[in-house]
Amino acid sequence: NAGVMQNPRHLVRRRGQEARLRCSPMKGHSHVYWYRQLPEEGLKFMVYLQKENIIDESGMPKERFSAEFPKEGPSILRIQQVVRGDSAAYFCASSPPERENTEAFFGQGTRLTVV
Amino acid sequence: GNSVTQMEGPVTLSEEAFLTINCTYTATGYPSLFWYVQYPGEGLQLLLKATKADDKGSNKGFEATYRKETTSFHLEKGSVQVSDSAVYFCALKASNTGKLIFGQGTTLQVKP
Repeated sequence: NAGVMQNPRHLVRRRGQEARLRCSPMKGHSHVYWYRQLPEEGLKFMVYLQKENIIDESGMPKERFSAEFPKEGPSILRIQQVVRGDSAAYFCASSPPERENTEAFFGQGTRLTVV
Repeated sequence: GNSVTQMEGPVTLSEEAFLTINCTYTATGYPSLFWYVQYPGEGLQLLLKATKADDKGSNKGFEATYRKETTSFHLEKGSVQVSDSAVYFCALKASNTGKLIFGQGTTLQVKP
């Protein structure tokens, strides 16, 4: 059973371009979380998704950021018109359908650099 | 709302010293509690968990006890090693929403 797979591991974008970050959850997991981590800082919650449904997006910036988790395929975090301040590590985690008592499993992260 | 607060880092210890990293939480209902560890350049790995009051989670010599009366989940290890140097995150999973919330992380540096 493969773990949570994120790609790419490293992504370089110029200011104004779009960044698309992909996350394939563990087999059987229907819930996905996205977090952002700035250097020397903690994990900031961005969004919590279930297949075809956004459960909680209270941590998502109001503009330029969007996330989806379609019925088929990976979850995608999309950042439009990137700016230098978007440079960070973005981590995805997945968990089984049960809400309680179950831990989330993390991917290795995508390190976005905006130049 | 739900939140997690950890002690400020970095924590610097000599090898074989005793470790405590404090974690307190605020939550409605009965959350599950977790400790995750992050090694440099990697994602987070689950270290241990506890799902109800008075449960003790343990792994690799680390322990933490779910204390509902003090809303705490402090991480302890009796004798740290250089290889334990990492960032440690306390987290809670809300029982009503399933949302996973992290503390700010505590950096541990163990010197030989």
